[in-house]
Amino acid sequence: DAMVIQNPRYQVTQFGKPVTLSCSQTLNHNVMYWYQQKSSQAPKLLFHYYDKDFNNEADTPDNFQSRRPNTSFCFLDIRSPGLGDAAMYLCATSRGRVAIEQFFGPGTRLTVL
Amino acid sequence: EDKVVQSPLSLVVHEGDTVTLNCSYEVTNFRSLLWYKQEKKAPTFLFMLTSSGIEKKSGRLSSILDKKELSSILNITATQTGDSAIYLCAVEGGAGGTSYGKLTFGQGTILTVHP
Repeated sequence: DAMVIQNPRYQVTQFGKPVTLSCSQTLNHNVMYWYQQKSSQAPKLLFHYYDKDFNNEADTPDNFQSRRPNTSFCFLDIRSPGLGDAAMYLCATSRGRVAIEQFFGPGTRLTVL
Repeated sequence: EDKVVQSPLSLVVHEGDTVTLNCSYEVTNFRSLLWYKQEKKAPTFLFMLTSSGIEKKSGRLSSILDKKELSSILNITATQTGDSAIYLCAVEGGAGGTSYGKLTFGQGTILTVHP
């Protein structure tokens, strides 16, 4: 089945130790998104790619970076995780630009010790 | 700044009750409004409403978009315990030319259905 896959599902890192979260999709969608969702809050968009075109949200901290080496994969790099970065990170994809349903992966829950 | 507000924030009902969840928005370049159901994992898609499709229905769930009032409702009839979840409203749009596919989420409504 076509899907959005995130690895790992649970990630524990130490304060300040870089971490990379992975997302892959078999839907061949043009657009890939990274969201951060903290407990009891709505998902917050960090950035998205339309093909290789990277779009950063204005309030996304510099500590967060992203890479999309090809259509299928997208990575979220957190350069120096702080305690406040502990959250669920959701990857989503959509087929195109306008009025399009987004398909979410299962998420990676990040714990920062 | 784009804003999506949901109400109520939480709701407790008994099986068989009918519930109405509300979503209002202030978004530049509105394109669509989406409803998601979130249990203990990623959100799952329920409906998408646009200017050309302002009412959707699937089984016991239905949703209406009121573009004049900048709002939407999600109705669930004959609720079941399996309907217990967080219901998220998200609006696609945003300021500027790169507003494609960008969703602004509301804070969600926590629905609890007791047997």
